[in-house]
Amino acid sequence: QSALTQPASVSGSPGQSITISCTGTSSDVGGYKYVSWYQQHPGKAPKLMIYEVNNRPSGVSNRFSGSKSGNTASLTISGLQAEDEADYYCSSYTSSSTLVFGGGTKLTVL
Amino acid sequence: QVQLVESGGGVVQPGRSLRLSCTASGFTFRSCAMHWVRQAPGKGLEWVAVIWFDGSNKYYADSVKGRFTISRDNSKNTLFLQMNSLRAEDTAVYYCARDPYSSSSHFDYWGQGTVVTVSA
Repeated sequence: QSALTQPASVSGSPGQSITISCTGTSSDVGGYKYVSWYQQHPGKAPKLMIYEVNNRPSGVSNRFSGSKSGNTASLTISGLQAEDEADYYCSSYTSSSTLVFGGGTKLTVL
Repeated sequence: QVQLVESGGGVVQPGRSLRLSCTASGFTFRSCAMHWVRQAPGKGLEWVAVIWFDGSNKYYADSVKGRFTISRDNSKNTLFLQMNSLRAEDTAVYYCARDPYSSSSHFDYWGQGTVVTVSA
């Protein structure tokens, strides 16, 4: 149950786009559609932003999008806003019927 | 609206036990898998365990296997986590989270968390 690999930090200016990667293996990210992304502000519970690779829950801005290629999933945030500054985590179902998170990425809006 | 409220956290000595509860409302509890996820101070999220909608299947992270037990009471809309042989590294905020499916996929609603501190 090794954690998925995410960059520790990314940054961007308001209005720009950024992409956060999430790399696993064929036993998790590459093998299943159950890849999801979560946003967490300090002191708050995580919030679902993307599920099943590229689906947005109701109420989540269409500035957030997801994709997957092979063993790597990606979260793209376009038109960066100050409120997007937060920690972001990916998660995937695994071949062991468990779930695994990435180490998290701190997004800074400059 | 979906609500998940955790309780049972506190300060406990290493080697002792603690039982967490998560009371659910606003949805058909018996139709959804449920998870526990934890976050150590200043660290990332760690998935802990899942129980399928009917309790028929349970899966655990290697870090808690053999020490923690997940269970549910569908008649009371309540999820539990029995934590035994607690260690300092189990110190964390423990969240319960709903899976929209009957088995494992992702977490669409989260509670606010309950704090567990393992310290002598």
